Parts: sequence; C-alpha cells; structure tokens
Amino acid sequence: IVMTQSPATLSVSPGERATLSCRASQSVSSNLAWYQQKPGQPPRLLIYGASTRATGIPARFSGSGSGTEFTLTISSLQSEDFAVYYCQHYHKWPLTFGQGTKVEIK
Amino acid sequence: QVQLVQSGAEVKKPGASVKVSCKASGYTFTGYYLHWVRQAPGQGLEWMGRINPNSGATNYAQKFQGRFTMTKDTSISTAYMELRTLTSDDTAVYYCATDPAAGSYNWFDPWGQGTLVTVSS
Repeated sequence: IVMTQSPATLSVSPGERATLSCRASQSVSSNLAWYQQKPGQPPRLLIYGASTRATGIPARFSGSGSGTEFTLTISSLQSEDFAVYYCQHYHKWPLTFGQGTKVEIK
Repeated sequence: QVQLVQSGAEVKKPGASVKVSCKASGYTFTGYYLHWVRQAPGQGLEWMGRINPNSGATNYAQKFQGRFTMTKDTSISTAYMELRTLTSDDTAVYYCATDPAAGSYNWFDPWGQGTLVTVSS
C-alpha cells in the first residue's frame, strides 16, 4: 500500500490552522497513525486509529478520515509544532509510511 | 516509564554486516512486539520488520528478507537487528520501536533514540 502525503511543505504562521493530507493507494479502513518528527529526534506518536490522540498529545491535534483519505489538523500552530509529519498505515504487511509533510514557519 | 536505549553509531565498509541492539526498560519486554524502522539521511521512514520478544516469531518486509535478521535476549530485555551485505544505500538511522501495549497493534510508541549506521569505503 502506497501512502501519499500532501503537500510536501506547508508554510503556516503561528496561531493559524494547518491541514495535512494522507492518501492510501487502497483502503486501510481506520488503521492509520500520524507521527511528528523534529530534527535529530525519533518520531513521536500523535494519532492512532485515524482519530484517537495518543497519551499526552494536545487537543489542538486532530485526525479524521477512513478508507483512503485522511487528514491531520493542527488547529492553532504553536512554535513547537513546526516539524515533519508522517502518516503510517497498519492495515496489512508491509507497514508503510507516507513521505512526510514539513510544516514550516511562514 | 517505557524506554528503549539503542547501541551507538557504527561505520561499516560495503559488504560488511552490522548488528544494533535495543535495550528495553519500564515494561514487560516479552509482552510487546518490537519493530525496526530506518530513515536514510533527509528521507522518510521505512519499516523493516517486527519480532515477538516472547516467541521469537518475526515478520519481515520483503525488501529485506534474506539479509536482515531480528533476534532477542529476554534475559537482558534486549532486541537485536543484523543487516548483512551492506551497501551505501543502507546508510541510515535505524530505530527500534514498540507496539504501545500488549497485543498486536503495529503502530509505534515509544521509539528508541536511533542508531546511525554509515556504510562507506
């Protein structure tokens, strides 16, 4: 299953809303996770089950979608949210990731 | 808290093998699947495989089958990955990561700090 994220780069001002997309080449049901990665750090789990926030993740992060179309929304960007975001399906083997969306400061 | 601590950076020549360790603490090592994911410089994430630390059963990404092996030593709560016949394309940061709880989930939380493997002549 190929995961395609768009856009590759998203320029957003602090306090603004960011909407990231992830598309699967075939249905993955709700078997989708989102991760945030900052330079020099491992990824951090944000969302699983397409829409369930992981422990400790702020409410400004929300996930939606099912089947082949998914969205990660950051409602009001904080300085610490500028990072690369990856989606990952876990519907079947092999597990695959999208190529990432970089959220940068506008 | 759950923690995964990986071994240090490695530099290998083409054709060589590398073995990376991942020591777990803060949870029952045998209860949670352990995955390996790699990230080439400036690139995205690539899942390599997972191991059941209890039974030793494994699932491998087809791309790596034949030159990639995952093992574990439950006496020291440590998992290992070995990649053989290295080429420059294997230069990457290698991460271990667990399922978030006992059972089979296949998303990853938490992750180890990563181990840089550089393949260069």
